[in-house]
Amino acid sequence: QKEVEQDPGPLSVPEGAIVSLNCTYSNSAFQYFMWYRQYSRKGPELLMYTYSSGNKEDGRFTAQVDKSSKYISLFIRDSQPSDSATYLCAMSPTGAGTASKLTFGTGTRLQVTL
Amino acid sequence: EAGVAQSPRYKIIEKRQSVAFWCNPISGHATLYWYQQILGQGPKLLIQFQNNGVVDDSQLPKDRFSAERLKGVDSTLKIQPAKLEDSAVYLCASSIIQGRGDTQYFGPGTRLTVL
Repeated sequence: QKEVEQDPGPLSVPEGAIVSLNCTYSNSAFQYFMWYRQYSRKGPELLMYTYSSGNKEDGRFTAQVDKSSKYISLFIRDSQPSDSATYLCAMSPTGAGTASKLTFGTGTRLQVTL
Repeated sequence: EAGVAQSPRYKIIEKRQSVAFWCNPISGHATLYWYQQILGQGPKLLIQFQNNGVVDDSQLPKDRFSAERLKGVDSTLKIQPAKLEDSAVYLCASSIIQGRGDTQYFGPGTRLTVL
């Protein structure tokens, strides 16, 4: 079993739709949870960063972490064609003041159509 | 602020040949990472440097892969000899500790094709 599971998609939605992206994990030591966006032929860029359980909102993006279920989600409201990319979840067990060792999911490819 | 620079962007070699990739991290970032991203998969950490010392190389295939970070700035990753399964994008990332945890900034990657 992989430490981090993510549905690879592809996921195709119309412009303006609400998108839900999810990851499950098995390692209880993970404390930091991140979502990266990766455009074709580019490196990943950090979208959201959360610590432990709870919700975090940033504009059209909301990240949720449920540590009891070992489940994290990223919601995108009012999706735009520019949101078309691969979304990677990533997790780290390390604490404050230390460099993180990230474990990534496989990525979900999202296509937002006009 | 300039981002993480990598070169070359693309490389095609035949199996059993050698290849080297170069990374220049963001100025002031003490931690540098090399990842391997196979098509359709997430990045997998190969090696992590703190300044010019190795923190974690547990997933680096040391029989063929080597990496160094001289003077705690630029880094090179070498594969010798290459195998077909080494075809992937090699990503370099750098980070700086800020408060709780750190944020990794990725370069554009080097796409390696081994024929």
